[in-house]
Amino acid sequence: QKEVEQNSGPLSVPEGAIASLNCTYSDRVSQSFFWYRQYSGKSPELIMSIYSNGDKEDGRFTAQLNKASQYVSLLIRDSQPSDSATYLCAVNKGGGSNYQLIWGAGTKLIIKP
Amino acid sequence: KAGVTQTPRYLIKTRGQQVTLSCSPISGHRSVSWYQQTPGQGLQFLFEYFSETQRNKGNFPGRFSGRQFSNSRSEMNVSTLELGDSALYLCASSILAGAADTQYFGPGTRLTVL
Repeated sequence: QKEVEQNSGPLSVPEGAIASLNCTYSDRVSQSFFWYRQYSGKSPELIMSIYSNGDKEDGRFTAQLNKASQYVSLLIRDSQPSDSATYLCAVNKGGGSNYQLIWGAGTKLIIKP
Repeated sequence: KAGVTQTPRYLIKTRGQQVTLSCSPISGHRSVSWYQQTPGQGLQFLFEYFSETQRNKGNFPGRFSGRQFSNSRSEMNVSTLELGDSALYLCASSILAGAADTQYFGPGTRLTVL
């Protein structure tokens, strides 16, 4: 089992609909969770971080964290063609000087006009 | 503020050679992390440097090494290149150590080993 798992997709969503991206992780003590977006040929950029159970909203993006079930999700409302990209989930492992981010392989999202 | 820069952007090497990649972080950022990205494995953590000290290391062989200078610029070296080292190498800088805050990625160096 991979430490951070994401469905590789592609996930195809009509323009204007809600895109739902999921990520599960194996380390029960993980405390920090991040969603990055990576356009083809570009480097990743941070969309959202979440540290507490529940929802965190930022514009059209909502991150949801459920530590008991060990999953984190990203919802994109009113999806736009410009949202088409690969979405990477990252979860911390270890603490102190051993802290590092473990990355999922990413989910490719395609928004169809 | 200028972003993270990486040089060179593209490299072609042959097996057995060595290579050095460079990363200049955002001004004021003292943490530099290096990642290898391949289609099959995704992003894999190589190591992190903070204030010239290697703070953490991923699960890569000793052929992969790095260092950080007093101006926070970092270099990564790969010796005795293997075909499997072909990948996009990304560096990311942040203010705090340990990736505890936002990491800003550079454009990457695309390494091809023939």
